Amino acid sequence: DQQVKQNSPSLSVQEGRISILNCDYTNSMFDYFLWYKKYPAEGPTFLISISSIKDKNEDGRFTVFLNKSAKHLSLHIVPSQPGDSAVYFCAGRNYGGSQGNLIFGKGTKLSVKP
Amino acid sequence: DVKVTQSSRYLVKRTGEKVFLECVQDMDHENMFWYRQDPGLGLRLIYFSYDVKMKEKGDIPEGYSVSREKKERFSLILESASTNQTSMYLCASRDTEPSYEQYFGPGTRLTVT
Repeated sequence: DQQVKQNSPSLSVQEGRISILNCDYTNSMFDYFLWYKKYPAEGPTFLISISSIKDKNEDGRFTVFLNKSAKHLSLHIVPSQPGDSAVYFCAGRNYGGSQGNLIFGKGTKLSVKP
Repeated sequence: DVKVTQSSRYLVKRTGEKVFLECVQDMDHENMFWYRQDPGLGLRLIYFSYDVKMKEKGDIPEGYSVSREKKERFSLILESASTNQTSMYLCASRDTEPSYEQYFGPGTRLTVT
């Protein structure tokens, strides 16, 4: 059973426009959600997180929105830059479950075209 | 800055060989993890460890074992490598709860021929 779903395997956006990456989850016990960015042949790097008690968190060009009633979160990148081209993973953390391990989605590959 | 290092960036092994992947972290983290990443399948947890000599199976432990003799080092062992274990292997570490962020190493691209 997939607890974290990223239903779009890929997304293509023009430079300067907004990129919106979506993530759905099923586990109501998640207390934090994280976004990681991964370039080819590199390990994932942490991008931004949000607590389940918040509905928005912003860091520079990156904003994450959480809709708990819909069990949905999204990552907005404004404006998108070619260097943002990477695979983005959404993850949920179940505090107290499995030593607080992260459950990852399958990722969305973002391509930002110049 | 947290640093997680992995012994090799690229590795090519033959079917049936025993393979060791090493991971070292320098932040005194209690928790360490091994994942594999495959296109379309995301990050799948193989094994994790929350203390020295402690290990727990993740979602796909078959064909793998692990060793954690020292806090900073977590090894992944492929007892008899097979072609379906060709993948990108990622090690991560995390501090004790309530910390939630995992720090990843650069990955090892393993090819089994």
